[in-house]
Amino acid sequence: QKEVEQNSGPLSVPEGAIASLNCTYSDRGSQSFFWYRQYSGKSPELIMFIYSNGDKEDGRFTAQLNKASQYVSLLIRDSQPSDSATYLCAVDTGGFKTIFGAGTRLFVKA
Amino acid sequence: DTGVSQDPRHKITKRGQNVTFRCDPISEHNRLYWYRQTLGQGPEFLTYFQNEAQLEKSRLLSDRFSAERPKGSFSTLEIQRTEQGDSAMYLCASRPTGPGTEAFFGQGTRLTVV
Repeated sequence: QKEVEQNSGPLSVPEGAIASLNCTYSDRGSQSFFWYRQYSGKSPELIMFIYSNGDKEDGRFTAQLNKASQYVSLLIRDSQPSDSATYLCAVDTGGFKTIFGAGTRLFVKA
Repeated sequence: DTGVSQDPRHKITKRGQNVTFRCDPISEHNRLYWYRQTLGQGPEFLTYFQNEAQLEKSRLLSDRFSAERPKGSFSTLEIQRTEQGDSAMYLCASRPTGPGTEAFFGQGTRLTVV
């Protein structure tokens, strides 16, 4: 079992729709969870982090964490073509070792 | 602060040669990470440092890979006797100490082994 699992996609949504990205993790002791965005040929950049169960909102982005289910999600509201990228879920396992999932490719159609 | 800097940006080498990459983290970031990324995959953890101490090295990493951070500032990643399977983007990231912090990535070094 991989430590961090994501659906590789691609996920295609029309402009203005909500994109929903999901991630599961295996280490029940994980404490910190991150969503990074990576454009083709570029390095990952942080979108959001979350530590507590529940929702965390930042602009058009909402991260959701359910530690009991070992599940993290990212919702992107009012999706724009510029949101088209690969979204990486990352998890801090013990001692701040950060493990990434394989990423989900998102396409937002104009 | 100019962010995380990696050098070189691109490296082409012949199979069997040794290569060394350098990473200069954001100043005062205690943690430094090395990842490897191939096309269509997420960053694969290689190793990470807290100051000069190497805290963990991936079990997937062969003995041909070694990393150092001698003074707790810049870090080097060396690959000995390169193989074609080593061709990838090598990413460095740095992060301040403590929870509630994020990792900042450099631009990466793209290695091509021919």
